[in-house]
Amino acid sequence: AQTVTQSQPEMSVQEAETVTLSCTYDTSESDYYLFWYKQPPSRQMILVIRQEAYKQQNATENRFSVNFQKAAKSFSLKISDSQLGDAAMYFCAYSYQGAQKLVFGQGTRLTINP
Amino acid sequence: GAGVSQSPSNKVTEKGKDVELRCDPISGHTALYWYRQSLGQGLEFLIYFQGNSAPDKSGLPSDRFSAERTGGSVSTLTIQRTQQEDSAVYLCASRTTGASTEAFFGQGTRLTVV
Repeated sequence: AQTVTQSQPEMSVQEAETVTLSCTYDTSESDYYLFWYKQPPSRQMILVIRQEAYKQQNATENRFSVNFQKAAKSFSLKISDSQLGDAAMYFCAYSYQGAQKLVFGQGTRLTINP
Repeated sequence: GAGVSQSPSNKVTEKGKDVELRCDPISGHTALYWYRQSLGQGLEFLIYFQGNSAPDKSGLPSDRFSAERTGGSVSTLTIQRTQQEDSAVYLCASRTTGASTEAFFGQGTRLTVV
């Protein structure tokens, strides 16, 4: 079965600094996709970034980037120049062709200290 | 509408009553997901629809939970004989076919069983 694990229930960082959120997953599939979603206090889930497993290049979206280590089945999110608006729950998610089930990790609550 | 719509936003019910939660996905989205999120916790997968079929309903916690989707659009999650442990936020998401596509979430229904 596919599983996603986020080992950091909570993280905090000073405003303007960089923080990395960890995610590992377990799968026997070769064609799959990984996502980071953000859930602010408003409860609205928002896609932050996605990564195709067949791509070696790490995805980047402005201040957000990933470190995708396929062999280690690791998919961490780096947030640079942290802003107060980045405070939220962050969820790592996995999906693969064929089943299209979207599996989420337990989440990491990120606090930004001014 | 432009986004995923869930109703009601909040529902308070007495233990033992049945409740129905509704999800209106984005038009054209063939995949629809239901998740349960307990206070401050991660997303627990409940069921996934592709069109009107449910290829994966493995997350439904008990036979008190059921879901259907009609016309490849609206979905209803029904909880019979509600229990206090059913109290949670129920999130619905939809996306187009394909494991790589972004899932769009509704605001959720906060269910409180008293």
